[in-house]
Amino acid sequence: DAGITQSPRHKVTETGTPVTLRCHQTENHRYMYWYRQDPGHGLRLIHYSYGVKDTDKGEVSDGYSVSRSKTEDFLLTLESATSSQTSVYFCAISGTGGAGQPQHFGDGTRLSIL
Amino acid sequence: SQQGEEDPQALSIQEGENATMNCSYKTSINNLQWYRQNSGRGLVHLILIRSNEREKHSGRLRVTLDTSKKSSSLLITASRAADTASYFCATDDNTDKLIFGTGTRLQVFP
Repeated sequence: DAGITQSPRHKVTETGTPVTLRCHQTENHRYMYWYRQDPGHGLRLIHYSYGVKDTDKGEVSDGYSVSRSKTEDFLLTLESATSSQTSVYFCAISGTGGAGQPQHFGDGTRLSIL
Repeated sequence: SQQGEEDPQALSIQEGENATMNCSYKTSINNLQWYRQNSGRGLVHLILIRSNEREKHSGRLRVTLDTSKKSSSLLITASRAADTASYFCATDDNTDKLIFGTGTRLQVFP
């Protein structure tokens, strides 16, 4: 399995609090992605990174920010969590962008916002 | 918006039977991928097919691609209970992004 670690794996927090999810890779891949998965919606892209300090928005980026200061780490931050951000969050990595190479996924973070 | 849509949304079969899932997409693509997701886990890549390929095999998996119809199919032959999972197609839209469909839930009964 590709070396991807997401932390925490589970988190329960309250509306209005900041939350940071971490994705750590040991594969030295250039591309890193954050998705959320909700029933009936499949996986939707939040933000992605194509290099250190290089990031771009995805389909559902409102309310989220990201940072990538090192190749191996990609952080997703909910500045002020809302109940609509309750979801399962997945990080993925790839050597190239688009569908030219497979993406390798972490096992997800289950986030509940009360 | 979803680039890929899988059909059917859910499929139940007996062990030993074949399972076919279909994916339709909207725009021109460079490549199409299929993934499997077991309950509570991340997605696992199964197979990648390029836009100039029509068919690809990997073990018990057979993927076809028809770019004129903007559709792909995933066939799992001789299904096993361990194949129970959700299956997703994913395409690019000529950007760095991979766009996933909503998936097909496959249940294989022993």
